[in-house]
Amino acid sequence: GNSVTQMEGPVTLSEEAFLTINCTYTATGYPSLFWYVQYPGEGLQLLLKATKADDKGSNKGFEATYRKETTSFHLEKGSVQVSDSAVYFCALTGGMGYNFNKFYFGSGTKLNVKP
Amino acid sequence: NAGVTQTPKFQVLKTGQSMTLQCAQDMNHNSMYWYRQDPGMGLRLIYYSASEGTTDKGEVPNGYNVSRLNKREFSLRLESAAPSQTSVYFCASSEGDRVNNQPQHFGDGTRLSIL
Repeated sequence: GNSVTQMEGPVTLSEEAFLTINCTYTATGYPSLFWYVQYPGEGLQLLLKATKADDKGSNKGFEATYRKETTSFHLEKGSVQVSDSAVYFCALTGGMGYNFNKFYFGSGTKLNVKP
Repeated sequence: NAGVTQTPKFQVLKTGQSMTLQCAQDMNHNSMYWYRQDPGMGLRLIYYSASEGTTDKGEVPNGYNVSRLNKREFSLRLESAAPSQTSVYFCASSEGDRVNNQPQHFGDGTRLSIL
């Protein structure tokens, strides 16, 4: 079945460091891929998305590229800030022979950024 | 622009009590979902409604019931609350469009404690 695997956290970085959070997926066909961010005490907010192979989603300095050959959608940011401290979720929906209305989420990666 | 609204935000129940969590969206979305989020467990799908008039079980439906009251509203009921149902509950909605791959939108959550 469909699934999403993302790296275990927590990830602790100093301000202005480079961030990578790995995400790989299993799905038939051509799913759409998303990154969500959850700040403490809040719901999930869409951070970026990509709907087809080689698409690059970007928002607020974060980027992720849809790599079908490696079934990956890694999240990157060149210079993190303390305000980026949150939990990040990778997710997918769609795909051949798949109930399009269902979404699958990774387990979340907590990011701590120190001043 | 309200998006997805959940009520209440916090609730404490005694074991065996019943309660209904309310969710409404103002984006004219077809699909709606209920998740629970436990520490270290990520998001788990309880029930979803692909369209008005339909509901389906997710990963963890036991102990819950749902009602898709109309296109806007999707409620979650605990008939006899148990301590294992202590969690943060999130409602989400999406267009459910198989062509445009739109993401889910989340409410701010209901923090439920069962003593």
